[in-house]
Amino acid sequence: GDSVTQMEGPVTLSEEAFLTINCTYTATGYPSLFWYVQYPGEGLQLLLKATKADDKGSNKGFEATYRKETTSFHLEKGSVQVSDSAVYFCALRRGDYNQGGKLIFGQGTELSVKP
Amino acid sequence: DSGVTQTPKHLITATGQRVTLRCSPRSGDLSVYWYQQSLDQGLQFLIHYYNGEERAKGNILERFSAQQFPDLHSELNLSSLELGDSALYFCASTDNFNEQFFGPGTRLTVL
Repeated sequence: GDSVTQMEGPVTLSEEAFLTINCTYTATGYPSLFWYVQYPGEGLQLLLKATKADDKGSNKGFEATYRKETTSFHLEKGSVQVSDSAVYFCALRRGDYNQGGKLIFGQGTELSVKP
Repeated sequence: DSGVTQTPKHLITATGQRVTLRCSPRSGDLSVYWYQQSLDQGLQFLIHYYNGEERAKGNILERFSAQQFPDLHSELNLSSLELGDSALYFCASTDNFNEQFFGPGTRLTVL
């Protein structure tokens, strides 16, 4: 079945460091891919998305490119801030209506940014 | 604020009991999804309702059930609770097939 695999955390970085969180997926067809962020004590917020191969999603300095050849959607940011400390989830959604649009999540990667 | 509300925020109960979690979607959204977040299982899809009808089921136990009412709010009913049911329960809403907006969640603790 469909699945998403993320790099294990926690990831600890210093402020202004470069961030990469790896995400790979397994799915039939052409899923849409998402990164969600969960701040402590809060629900999930959509960070960025890409709906087809080679699309680049970007938001708040974060970027991820939908790579169909490597079935990957790695999250990157050039310079992290303390306020980026959160748990990041990679997710996919199958394109066929019969799947109902459910999201399939990776296990989450906790990011901690130190001043 | 996503516009999705969930009540209660916290729920503490005992094994064997039954609880009801409530979700109010964003105005105009017809779809409601329920997800469970636990330490051992991660974030898992439970069930999807669209305009009052069940559309898809995921890893939802038989002890769990849900419904969506004519005013589009949804309730997730959990019965015969076990320790392992302790988790964060999220609902999310969307207008059709677009971005899902998540509520703040209900933290269930079963003692």
